[in-house]
Amino acid sequence: DAGITQSPRHKVTETGTPVTLRCHQTENHRYMYWYRQDPGHGLRLIHYSYGVKDTDKGEVSDGYSVSRSKTEDFLLTLESATSSQTSVYFCAISAGGEFYPVETQYFGPGTRLLVL
Amino acid sequence: SQQGEEDPQALSIQEGENATMNCSYKTSINNLQWYRQNSGRGLVHLILIRSNEREKHSGRLRVTLDTSKKSSSLLITASRAADTASYFCATGGIQGAQKLVFGQGTRLTINP
Repeated sequence: DAGITQSPRHKVTETGTPVTLRCHQTENHRYMYWYRQDPGHGLRLIHYSYGVKDTDKGEVSDGYSVSRSKTEDFLLTLESATSSQTSVYFCAISAGGEFYPVETQYFGPGTRLLVL
Repeated sequence: SQQGEEDPQALSIQEGENATMNCSYKTSINNLQWYRQNSGRGLVHLILIRSNEREKHSGRLRVTLDTSKKSSSLLITASRAADTASYFCATGGIQGAQKLVFGQGTRLTINP
C-alpha cells in the first residue's frame, strides 16, 4: 500500500468551528488531492496540489482552503464548519515521474467528519 | 457535475458467476480508471485504460472502452465473496495534474 496517512481518522465538531485535516505521504509523490465522499455523489474533488505551494480548486471548493508547505503534507481546512460539510474526506496522491503512471491515484484511509 | 455514470447502481450475484458493470461519460477523456472500495476503506486502483485502447485485462478483470459511445465496462470473472465492494469508474482529462472525475459507483454483492 502507498504510504498515505490521514489524521484525524474521526472527528466530531460544532458548526462554526475551524477544522484542519492532515494528509501525510511518504512516497514523495508530486500530486496530492482532497476528495469528499457523500451518498449519491460518489467522490468529488475539493482541491489539489501539483507541488509545494502550488494548489488549485476542484469541483466543490467553496468553504475549503488548502496548504502545502512540504512535499509530504497536504492540509485541508474548513474555516467555519457547516453541517453540509459532514462527509468522509479522502486524500489521494499520484506520481509525476517518468517511471510511474501519473494517472493512477492512491488513496488514504479517509477521515469521517461530523459537524453538529 | 459528475462525469461517469455507473450502471447498475447495485448488483447481487452468486459466487462463481461473472459480474459486469458499466460506465458512461460525457466528455472526451485521456484515460478511464476503475477503483474498488471496500466498506469503510479508501479506494484501491484496479485498472487503467487509455483512450486509444479498446480492451485491457488484469487477472480476473477485463475492461473495455468504446470512445465512440463514451462508455466502458468492467467484467469480473469467476466472482468470489472477497469481490464484494463498491466499484467506481473515474475519467481522467487534464494532463499533468490528472484530475479524476468519479461516478457514483456500483455496489457489488457476491453471495456464497
